[in-house]
Amino acid sequence: EAGVAQSPRYKIIEKRQSVAFWCNPISGHATLYWYQQILGQGPKLLIQFQNNGVVDDSQLPKDRFSAERLKGVDSTLKIQPAKLEDSAVYLCASSPDGTANSPLHFGNGTRLTVT
Amino acid sequence: RKEVEQDPGPFNVPEGATVAFNCTYSNSASQSFFWYRQDCRKEPKLLMSVYSSGNEDGRFTAQLNRASQYISLLIRDSKLSDSATYLCVVNVPSGAGSYQLTFGKGTKLSVIP
Repeated sequence: EAGVAQSPRYKIIEKRQSVAFWCNPISGHATLYWYQQILGQGPKLLIQFQNNGVVDDSQLPKDRFSAERLKGVDSTLKIQPAKLEDSAVYLCASSPDGTANSPLHFGNGTRLTVT
Repeated sequence: RKEVEQDPGPFNVPEGATVAFNCTYSNSASQSFFWYRQDCRKEPKLLMSVYSSGNEDGRFTAQLNRASQYISLLIRDSKLSDSATYLCVVNVPSGAGSYQLTFGKGTKLSVIP
């Protein structure tokens, strides 16, 4: 079974620039998540999709972050404009159905550095 | 109080030692509980789910105490390969009938030869 694919692996941008990350979940997984992991902390949920609908985006800074999951498969996360504090690893995860006991499968993540 | 809190760590233990990690959660309506393992510069991976009756997987034992809102992970006979960060994860109600998987900060374990 192919895992969750993310790209790019690394990205360095200057503050106020824009950046986009891409995620392809495991085939057939209905639920897709974007997490932000700042160095030394646990992952923090940014947004959760069930198919192509948003389930939870309560912790997404909507003034600068946006995400979409067109057709309920791939997803993109965008930051515009970036701030220094956005430097983190952005992890995409998927699960078969998003139920309480459904484990997450993470991608390798995109390491973002904002200078 | 943070939703999920873990021992601060780091834990440095010799090979063969037994080590225990603790985790507390604040929301009594939380439904499910997990331990994830994260190697340096890698993504988190599920180590084990935590059931009310307690569960064991080889050298790893997880326990849940709902009354005290407390979860533990015990690793027996530590191996060098157990060196990693262990993340406590709780499915916390986030309103409107949905749940959010909430991660603790993690506890770093180093097993020393």
